[in-house]
Amino acid sequence: EPEVTQTPSHQVTQMGQEVILRCVPISNHLYFYWYRQILGQKVEFLVSFYNNEISEKSEIFDDQFSVERPDGSNFTLKIRSTKLEDSAMYFCASSEAPSSHEKLFFGSGTQLSVL
Amino acid sequence: GQQLNQSPQSMFIQEGEDVSMNCTSSSIFNTWLWYKQDPGEGPVLLIALYKAGELTSNGRLTAQFGITRKDSFLNISASIPSDVGIYFCAGLNSGGSNYKLTFGKGTLLTVNP
Repeated sequence: EPEVTQTPSHQVTQMGQEVILRCVPISNHLYFYWYRQILGQKVEFLVSFYNNEISEKSEIFDDQFSVERPDGSNFTLKIRSTKLEDSAMYFCASSEAPSSHEKLFFGSGTQLSVL
Repeated sequence: GQQLNQSPQSMFIQEGEDVSMNCTSSSIFNTWLWYKQDPGEGPVLLIALYKAGELTSNGRLTAQFGITRKDSFLNISASIPSDVGIYFCAGLNSGGSNYKLTFGKGTLLTVNP
């Protein structure tokens, strides 16, 4: 079964440092997403990406965040200067098309801890 | 933004019991989705509901899309230990080019064997 792969599974960083979270979406998918989940809270939408540009972003996705598809397979989330409150599980997701509700696949997540 | 109220927050049940959880919203969604999250994993879709009043089953799971489009419930019958996990409802308003889900806070289910 195809899957979304995220690396690393855990990332520990110092406050103010830059981090890059990596994702390999499913190969024939065209729509890519990042969600995050602070411990004990709900999953929250961050950003959606299609055709090499951001199509929608939430209030959480401020200037410290950026996304990129540097090549044909990877999709990255960069946090420029991490804050304590950025500590969360970050999930990448991908879908073939926005209307493919049953075909939105989530990765296993990257647990980011900012110290 | 849109908010989903999911209840209960947690449930402790005996194996074999039935379980019911629900989600309500102050605003309308065109699609309701139910996900399960196992520890250390991403959410996995269980059931998708597309039409108000729709009742859909997936094995021991049954979910309904409320007629007002502002609520949904999920039932699990004859629970087993592997049903343990966090269950999330999510709402979606399709249209445009995005797949922006609004999630509830989740229901933590514990099943005692």
